[in-house]
Amino acid sequence: EVQLVESGGGLVQPGGTLRLSCAASGFTFSSSYWIHWVRQAPGKGLVWVSRIHTDGTTTTYADSVKGRFTISRDNAKNTVYLQMNTLRAEDTAVYYCVRVRVGAASVEVDNWGQGTLVTVSS
Amino acid sequence: QTVVTQEPSLTVSPGGTVTLTCASSTGAVTSGYYPNWFQQKPGQAPRALIYSTSNKNSWTPARFSGSLLEGKAALTLSGVQPEDEADYYCLLYCGGAYVFGTGTKVTVL
Repeated sequence: EVQLVESGGGLVQPGGTLRLSCAASGFTFSSSYWIHWVRQAPGKGLVWVSRIHTDGTTTTYADSVKGRFTISRDNAKNTVYLQMNTLRAEDTAVYYCVRVRVGAASVEVDNWGQGTLVTVSS
Repeated sequence: QTVVTQEPSLTVSPGGTVTLTCASSTGAVTSGYYPNWFQQKPGQAPRALIYSTSNKNSWTPARFSGSLLEGKAALTLSGVQPEDEADYYCLLYCGGAYVFGTGTKVTVL
């Protein structure tokens, strides 16, 4: 069974830092899957944040987090990280990690984690 | 930045059919946007339903189908069940980045 388990959320002051983790199991982590982060502010819609390729060298970010967030992965630990710096109140959200399989003519989003809540407040 | 727009809310009767759409501010949605659709119920993580326009994820009930309709991505629910009441989101691949739609709240009444 594929599982994605996020951790590392919590309360942080504006301007602070936090590192989220996404631990994956039930599939070959280093195979052809991208891992994405998606967030959802309380009572709001889904917002795409970032993605990282299998090899860890290709990353993409939403404009709203570019320069502040860094995504990385450790294939030996089956884990993806989201380093979040210079946090703002508007970063408050549940953060989900998501598995995405990309083929020659296909993009398949399949499994989602349960999410971890990040609250940025003084 | 691309804005992806969905109907804010739709109401459907049990057993009825409803179609949700997903439009891009940059123009017609094509298969190259690889539309994905998700269902989210209160207090739960989203669940994938459709990928790459019209392919069902392995757990997706047969009553859900995806298509392209008049320049938009579309999700059709046929024979709606009470448990289909939820928020639905589309996701488009937009030149290296991804953009979620604004979401549609489906009420079964």
